[in-house]
Amino acid sequence: AQSVTQLGSHVSVSEGALVLLRCNYSSSVPPYLFWYVQYPNQGLQLLLKYTSAATLVKGINGFEAEFKKSETSFHLTKPSAHMSDAAEYFCAVSDQGGSARQLTFGSGTQLTVLP
Amino acid sequence: EAGVAQSPRYKIIEKRQSVAFWCNPISGHATLYWYQQILGQGPKLLIQFQNNGVVDDSQLPKDRFSAERLKGVDSTLKIQPAKLEDSAVYLCASSPSGTGELFFGEGSRLTVL
Repeated sequence: AQSVTQLGSHVSVSEGALVLLRCNYSSSVPPYLFWYVQYPNQGLQLLLKYTSAATLVKGINGFEAEFKKSETSFHLTKPSAHMSDAAEYFCAVSDQGGSARQLTFGSGTQLTVLP
Repeated sequence: EAGVAQSPRYKIIEKRQSVAFWCNPISGHATLYWYQQILGQGPKLLIQFQNNGVVDDSQLPKDRFSAERLKGVDSTLKIQPAKLEDSAVYLCASSPSGTGELFFGEGSRLTVL
């Protein structure tokens, strides 16, 4: 069974500061990993995904994440936070088996950006 | 390209009443998912369809929840009778076959009083 743990349900950063959102996963097979963002009253939007190619993945809006197998981590970073980054962020894991892939989500991290 | 469409966006009902949510996935996406997102939690998979067949409904409370995807396109999720703990956002997502990349609708927010 696969699972995701997001450390810190709430993270606050100042505008212009580094954003670091933590995600650790558990999977019995090499995983696919995803970060999604959810703005208020909206659905989830894909930020980036890791699918066993490059371990450093770049996504939209200046975000990136690094897959570290030894640490079973897939932390999300952005060098300089912007007010528009305030949202909830979800890490998700998917097994690679077959066509019936499913995503298992973490409980989310609410990012607040302070002026 | 049109995204995943869901309706209604908001619904308020009393416990023991019934409700239905509708989802129209992105054209050509064979896989369709219904997720339940309770406030403060991540989305939890309820049911997954591949075309018009059910792939996984192991977490669907079948005594009160039902879902169908006729003709492999639109899908309907029904709750009957609703309980207070069903208050949540119901998210529909679709995916091109085999990619694992999900595209989400805006969700249907259910409040059960």
